[in-house]
Amino acid sequence: DAGVIQSPRHEVTEMGQEVTLRCKPISGHDYLFWYRQTMMRGLELLIYFNNNVPIDDSGMPEDRFSAKMPNASFSTLKIQPSEPRDSAVYFCASRGTGGRAALLTDTQYFGPGTRLTVL
Amino acid sequence: GEDVEQSLFLSVREGDSSVINCTYTDSSSTYLYWYKQEPGAGLQLLTYIFSNMDMKQDQRLTVLLNKKDKHLSLRIADTQTGDSAIYFCAETYPDNTDKLIFGTGTRLQVFP
Repeated sequence: DAGVIQSPRHEVTEMGQEVTLRCKPISGHDYLFWYRQTMMRGLELLIYFNNNVPIDDSGMPEDRFSAKMPNASFSTLKIQPSEPRDSAVYFCASRGTGGRAALLTDTQYFGPGTRLTVL
Repeated sequence: GEDVEQSLFLSVREGDSSVINCTYTDSSSTYLYWYKQEPGAGLQLLTYIFSNMDMKQDQRLTVLLNKKDKHLSLRIADTQTGDSAIYFCAETYPDNTDKLIFGTGTRLQVFP
């Protein structure tokens, strides 16, 4: 498996523009997580999905952020309008559920991240 | 609230042992994890320990768990330059085991 795939790897945009980050989870995984990493706040969970349904979005900073998962193999995180304080590295992670090797299945596997810079 | 704390930096000489420490808040976590993040990459699961264990060894890695003090440590024997990275400990949320709480991360620098 190719692992979790994120695109783009780098994004530079101007304040006020819409930004869309994309994620393809590992095939067969039914959980998908979006994280944001900054120097000041560390790694923060923004939202996660189970079977394409948003379960907990309490970490989403504000209404400018939205996430969707239209199917099991694709998710987007959108920021509209973007602001300089949104500059961060955004990670997507996925994991499976249960099975005989439950722990390994339940492990979160991270993508390489998207480095977002908002000017 | 939930909080996982780590020291920010550790510098060691190549060949020495490294010990990265972590304190966590939720004593009911079933598993505790160590992740490694290399520059420009995502987090990679390094090892884990089940909460009913005191120690787990995996090649050069030794994880020690002190549940009484809520203290977790990762020891890397014979540290190599390739071990230079940021190391995160993580525990599950007390009310939702789907979610992980990550520590602040410890940047390990290995010098020759």
